[in-house]
Amino acid sequence: AQSVTQLGSHVSVSEGALVLLRCNYSSSVPPYLFWYVQYPNQGLQLLLKYTTGATLVKGINGFEAEFKKSETSFHLTKPSAHMSDAAEYFCAVREYSSASKIIFGSGTRLSIRP
Amino acid sequence: NAGVTQTPKFQVLKTGQSMTLQCAQDMNHEYMSWYRQDPGMGLRLIHYSVGAGITDQGEVPNGYNVSRSTTEDFPLRLLSAAPSQTSVYFCASSYGQVPSYEQYFGPGTRLTVT
Repeated sequence: AQSVTQLGSHVSVSEGALVLLRCNYSSSVPPYLFWYVQYPNQGLQLLLKYTTGATLVKGINGFEAEFKKSETSFHLTKPSAHMSDAAEYFCAVREYSSASKIIFGSGTRLSIRP
Repeated sequence: NAGVTQTPKFQVLKTGQSMTLQCAQDMNHEYMSWYRQDPGMGLRLIHYSVGAGITDQGEVPNGYNVSRSTTEDFPLRLLSAAPSQTSVYFCASSYGQVPSYEQYFGPGTRLTVT
């Protein structure tokens, strides 16, 4: 079965600094990859996704992620953090063996320091 | 357009009680799913459905039942609640029969089993 590993359960950055949230997946075939964001006491919403084609994917709120097959990674970045980016972020992969299942990572909580 | 709705928002059950968590979507999505969210474990798939009358098990199906009699509704039943089922439950829906596209999440139901 495929799996997703998010390095760092909690990341803290200063406002205006680079945001880097790490995600590695295990898969023997090109996967579908997703990043979701969860604000406090809310459901999840899609930030961006990679299916096929261009490996650099741009999402909402200035976030982007790059699919690197050789590193089996799909790290999420944002050049300049804003206070409103404080949330929990989840990386997810669509399982190849059963295309009907999405497997989520354990999540990374992002805090922004003033 | 209400999106994905879940009721109730909060519920407290005693061990052994049964209840149904309701989920409805008004986007005519074929794919619907139930997840539970526990601290440090991300979201884990309980059950999913690819259309009316078709359901299947996810990663953690034990103790839960589902049915899908209409496209709009996908209730989750706890047959005999256990403290291990204390969690936040999210329902989600997606266009198509496989979740290649964005999943839309409901606001969640926070369940406590004492």
